[in-house]
Amino acid sequence: QKEVEQNSGPLSVPEGAIASLNCTYSDRGSQSFFWYRQYSGKSPELIMFIYSNGDKEDGRFTAQLNKASQYVSLLIRDSQPSDSATYLCAVRLNSGYSTLTFGKGTMLLVSP
Amino acid sequence: DTEVTQTPKHLVMGMTNKKSLKCEQHMGHRAMYWYKQKAKKPPELMFVYSYEKLSINESVPSRFSPECPNSSLLNLHLHALQPEDSALYLCASSVGRGNLETQYFGPGTRLLVL
Repeated sequence: QKEVEQNSGPLSVPEGAIASLNCTYSDRGSQSFFWYRQYSGKSPELIMFIYSNGDKEDGRFTAQLNKASQYVSLLIRDSQPSDSATYLCAVRLNSGYSTLTFGKGTMLLVSP
Repeated sequence: DTEVTQTPKHLVMGMTNKKSLKCEQHMGHRAMYWYKQKAKKPPELMFVYSYEKLSINESVPSRFSPECPNSSLLNLHLHALQPEDSALYLCASSVGRGNLETQYFGPGTRLLVL
């Protein structure tokens, strides 16, 4: 059973703080890792993806991947109330048109 | 451009109705997907089309019938649905190859079955 685990939260952080969202996965064959943001009642929006060990930065967002520990995280610097949403971690096993396995999502609440 | 469009945005149907959901992308993406998402749950894969051919059917009941008329369009035909089928139905398409392949979601159709 391929599993992707996330803490459901809510994770509460004050405005301006760093929010750290974590995700673990069970299948060592996983190749690519994605973070989607989903506002209530809306569809998931791709924030970042990563496939190599290490960090990948895009603006206020940093994705971190550690394949040895089967761990991927998303850091949000200078958190804003508009970042309040559910963050879905998704993992793809193989390259090609293979499917994504989603975690259950972590709800992030950023208070002003 | 990563836009995937879906119509309608909202749909209310009775259990004896037949309706269709439509998804469209003009980005040349070769794979398209239907997902179902219930409240506070992650998206659940229903179907995958690759090069306009159905490649994955995740044991979805036959009251859901997908169709891919061409490389830009994906339909989901609905018939004799149950109230528990009420959910957000998401279409996605993917771009790129190998580790760079990424999926982009449309805005979804919120379906209510009475």
